[in-house]
Amino acid sequence: KNQVEQSPQSLIILEGKNCTLQCNYTVSPFSNLRWYKQDTGRGPVSLTIMTFSENTKSNGRYTATLDADTKQSSLHITASQLSDSASYICVVSASYNTDKLIFGTGTRLQVFP
Amino acid sequence: GAVVSQHPSRVICKSGTSVKIECRSLDFQATTMFWYRQFPKQSLMLMATSNEGSKATYEQGVEKDKFLINHASLTLSTLTVTSAHPEDSSFYICSAVGLNTEAFFGQGTRLTVV
Repeated sequence: KNQVEQSPQSLIILEGKNCTLQCNYTVSPFSNLRWYKQDTGRGPVSLTIMTFSENTKSNGRYTATLDADTKQSSLHITASQLSDSASYICVVSASYNTDKLIFGTGTRLQVFP
Repeated sequence: GAVVSQHPSRVICKSGTSVKIECRSLDFQATTMFWYRQFPKQSLMLMATSNEGSKATYEQGVEKDKFLINHASLTLSTLTVTSAHPEDSSFYICSAVGLNTEAFFGQGTRLTVV
C-alpha cells in the first residue's frame, strides 16, 4: 500500500533554532516528492519538489533531501522564524499516475519567541 | 508562480441548502483539478478528480450525488455540496496541475453548516 509517514507529529522550537522534519514513504514506483507548507486555514504552498535523481534542493532557509534508496526525505529549516509556524506536509506521487498525490499526515511546527 | 484561486474562503449555510465552491487556475490551463477535504489536524483527503469536459472521478466513499463537480473549462472547476448537513462542515481545498506536473493549491474554503 502506498503510504507517506511523517515525524515528528508536532514540534516546538525557539526562534532562531534549526529543525529537521522527516518523511518516509512506501510509494512505488516513485516519481517525485514534494514538501508543502500549510498555514492554518490556508491551502498548501509548495516549498520544494524533487525527482528520483535529485538528492537535495533548497528554497531559501528550507533545504530538502531525498534518499530514493531508503525512501526517506527530510526538510531542514535553518534559523527559524515565527512565520515558519505551520504544518509541513510531505507529498509523494507515483510514476503510474503523477497527478495523484499521496499525502503525509504532516508535522505541525510551532516557533516561539 | 502559478496561482489557483478558490472562492469563497468562508461560507456558512443552513442545513438542507446547497453551496458552490469555485476553483480557478488564473494563469495556466488545467485539464485536471482535484478536490480535497481536510478535517482539523489531519492531512488532505482526496475526494475527486475533476477532468475538463468529462465526468469527475470520485474516490471510494465519496457520494457523487452529494458532491457535484463540474469542470466546464480549462480554468474553472466547481464543487457543489448539495443538501448540506452539519457533518459536511469541513475545509475544502482544490488543486490544479500545470504542464510540469507541479500542483498548485487554492486557498481553501471553510464550510460551516448550521
